[in-house]
Amino acid sequence: GAVVSQHPSRVICKSGTSVKIECRSLDFQATTMFWYRQFPKQSLMLMATSNEGSKATYEQGVEKDKFLINHASLTLSTLTVTSAHPEDSSFYICSARVRGTGNTGELFFGEGSRLTVL
Amino acid sequence: GDSVTQMEGPVTLSEEAFLTINCTYTATGYPSLFWYVQYPGEGLQLLLKATKADDKGSNKGFEATYRKETTSFHLEKGSVQVSDSAVYFCALSGLGGGYQKVTFGIGTKLQVIP
Repeated sequence: GAVVSQHPSRVICKSGTSVKIECRSLDFQATTMFWYRQFPKQSLMLMATSNEGSKATYEQGVEKDKFLINHASLTLSTLTVTSAHPEDSSFYICSARVRGTGNTGELFFGEGSRLTVL
Repeated sequence: GDSVTQMEGPVTLSEEAFLTINCTYTATGYPSLFWYVQYPGEGLQLLLKATKADDKGSNKGFEATYRKETTSFHLEKGSVQVSDSAVYFCALSGLGGGYQKVTFGIGTKLQVIP
């Protein structure tokens, strides 16, 4: 089956620094990738939709200058949390759709990245 | 905008009991509907899906029918097992705002006891 790899799985950083999280589709091409934030009571909040070769579409309330998303190739999207603060500590999950499956295609999920900002 | 309303858990059932997890949605157009499952210590994975009205998705004994008239996609299983203990997410895939987006419900934790 399709595999999505997310790295790093855990990261601890100091307040004010930036952190980059990578999301790779290992055995398929993904035109569209999605970034989610999972809160302690388990709900998944969509942060942005990332499209290869174009700007990401951010959900309302998500600061695009703080959460920089780059989708430079059909197999890689990155999320950079800039000037991180303790309130950014969370579990970030990426997911990808196989190219060409459109709106009906299933999502394949990365393992998630636990960010802790001290 | 698109939204998914899902019953909050946790839901605790005895083995072989009947399971229903309710899910309703709000969306423009004709979304696709999904149930994803997250087993303890694992990532999310697709359980089943339905892409148009009256479609029934099924997998591993679970079923859900896409009901456009009631905007619902309730998950059911006739006889749950301990191994079904997990968090279940209802999700909607639409083209709200002209771009693809996938919106999840809050997730329902199911615990099945022997």
